[in-house]
Amino acid sequence: QGQLVESGGGLVKPGGSLRLSCAASGFKFSEYYMRWIRQAPGKGLEWVSHITSDRTTDYADSVKGRFTISRDNARKSLFLQMDSLRVEDTAVYYCAREYFYRFDLWGQGTLVTVSS
Amino acid sequence: QSALTQPPSASGSPAQSVTISCTGTSSDVGAYNYVSWYQHHPGKAPKLMIYEVTKRPSGVPDRFSGSKSGNTASLTVSGLQAEDEADYYCTSYAGSNSYVFGTGTKVTVL
Repeated sequence: QGQLVESGGGLVKPGGSLRLSCAASGFKFSEYYMRWIRQAPGKGLEWVSHITSDRTTDYADSVKGRFTISRDNARKSLFLQMDSLRVEDTAVYYCAREYFYRFDLWGQGTLVTVSS
Repeated sequence: QSALTQPPSASGSPAQSVTISCTGTSSDVGAYNYVSWYQHHPGKAPKLMIYEVTKRPSGVPDRFSGSKSGNTASLTVSGLQAEDEADYYCTSYAGSNSYVFGTGTKVTVL
């Protein structure tokens, strides 16, 4: 069925950068759209970015111009480069597999804390 | 896009039923039959419970069911069990490769 494992989270100062990774296994990664979804403390889920199987990308307005999503199909990995981080970017970041209008596989998430 | 509205909490005793609503607009829930529901135990990966309003992935107990009327979708958990205690989120496709999430509902098994 597959597995997704995120890594790369941590504590960073405002204005700093982090690169999140999501390692996929157990399925043909290259065939799927992938998304980053986050959950701020005490808040609900929020879509951050997605990348299609042919590498078309899109971003939430709140992160556009600061975050960059990419994928390496050979390494079965998804990435999120986060620059110019803000306090409000503090959240658990999940990668999720999209399959016909549903997210059928999620990772356990990686915590990003932006604080001075 | 605004978040879909869910009640903050819901509860029921073991073996009872609980229903969670998810209210959107004519641009998301009302426009597409692509509402899905996710169970989230804190610290774990969210799990798909319902997709396309009413369908259950293999392995999800038939105690979980979904429905939709107009701009409001619902998740019903029948025969509540202790392991059903979790946060539940709805999601709807909103066109142009975009999705809107619900505000989340904490289900407590009394």
